[in-house]
Order: sequence, then C-alpha cells, then structure tokens
Amino acid sequence: GQNIDQPTEMTATEGAIVQINCTYQTSGFNGLFWYQQHAGEAPTFLSYNVLDGLEEKGRFSSFLSRSKGYSYLLLKELQMKDSASYLCAVRDGFQKLVFGTGTRLLVSP
Amino acid sequence: DSGVTQTPKHLITATGQRVTLRCSPRSGDLSVYWYQQSLDQGLQFLIQYYNGEERAKGNILERFSAQQFPDLHSELNLSSLELGDSALYFCASTATGELFFGEGSRLTVL
Repeated sequence: GQNIDQPTEMTATEGAIVQINCTYQTSGFNGLFWYQQHAGEAPTFLSYNVLDGLEEKGRFSSFLSRSKGYSYLLLKELQMKDSASYLCAVRDGFQKLVFGTGTRLLVSP
Repeated sequence: DSGVTQTPKHLITATGQRVTLRCSPRSGDLSVYWYQQSLDQGLQFLIQYYNGEERAKGNILERFSAQQFPDLHSELNLSSLELGDSALYFCASTATGELFFGEGSRLTVL
C-alpha cells in the first residue's frame, strides 16, 4: 500500500530555520514533490527531487534519500507568510501523485 | 495564477442531488488530476486522465465519475450526494512533472 508520513504540526520563530520530514512507502517511485498550501487555497509547487541529494531554491531546500524512503524540506530565514501547510507527495510506479496529510507550520514573531 | 480554471468556485446543494464540476487545464497540458480535500484533511487522489483516456484511479466512490473531453477539459460528476461529500475539489494539470492546481470548487452538501 501507499504510506506517506509527515508531522501534523510544527511551530517556529520568525528568522529561524525549520526542517519538515517526510517518510514514504509507495508502490514504485518516480519522484518526490513538496507543495505549500495556505488555508482554503490551492497548493503551490515548491520543489522536486528524483535523485538522491539536496536541491536548493532560495530560502527553501529539499533533500531526498531513496534508499531510506526519506525526504525533508528545509525553510530558512522564516517569515510570517511561511505559515501554511507543507505537503509531501510521491509519484508512484503507476504515475499517481500521492499526497501525505501535510504539516501545518505556524511561524510566530 | 496557475492557468488551471475550475468552475464553479462555490456550490451549495442538498443531499441526494447531483453536481458537475468543471476543469480547464493549462494550455497544452494533456494530463488532468482530480483530488478531494475535506476539512483539515490531506489531498485524496480521485482519478487521472491523459489525453482523454483514464490513466489512474484512486479511492473514487462509485457515485462519482469523471471524463476528459477532446478539447482536454474535464468534468467530475458527483451524484446521490451525502453530507460527507462536502469538501474542496481540486483539479490539477501537468505536462511533464509538477502539478499545477486550480483554485478548487468548494462543495457544501446540506
């Protein structure tokens, strides 16, 4: 079966760094995505990893270890607007994009 | 603006009724996905179409059906509606990888 696990909720302070972890077990693997979703809005694409290692994009970085079924999203220099849900999603062997339940991040002043 | 258009944005209906949600993908995208998101829940994959053909199916109820037309727009039909069907329904399209999501259709079943 398909299983994607993320922490339900995290809190952090403005200006800090936060790491959101994601572990997955899926039927095949064809890439891992991170999306940001503000309440009641559409998810927006943040990053994509298909090979092991770190992908950096501005304040956001994403890491993948396929052998461990593990990824993390690293957010640096946190801003209040980063308060949102962060969704880990895996494209499985059947090309379905399966989402985890998301991590709600609350950034406080 | 992702380029994916969904209508209607909001819909209120009664139990037992039937509704149709519409999605126009980004120009050139052949693949359309439908997701359901209930309050404080994750995105549940319903179904995927590629160039008019059903490509993958998730936990879509038998009361729900979808299709993709030759012009690549897609419709999700929900029938015999129940209170638990109240949710945000997202459509997303892709050409090669990342999904681009529409703003969603918020369905309220009373």
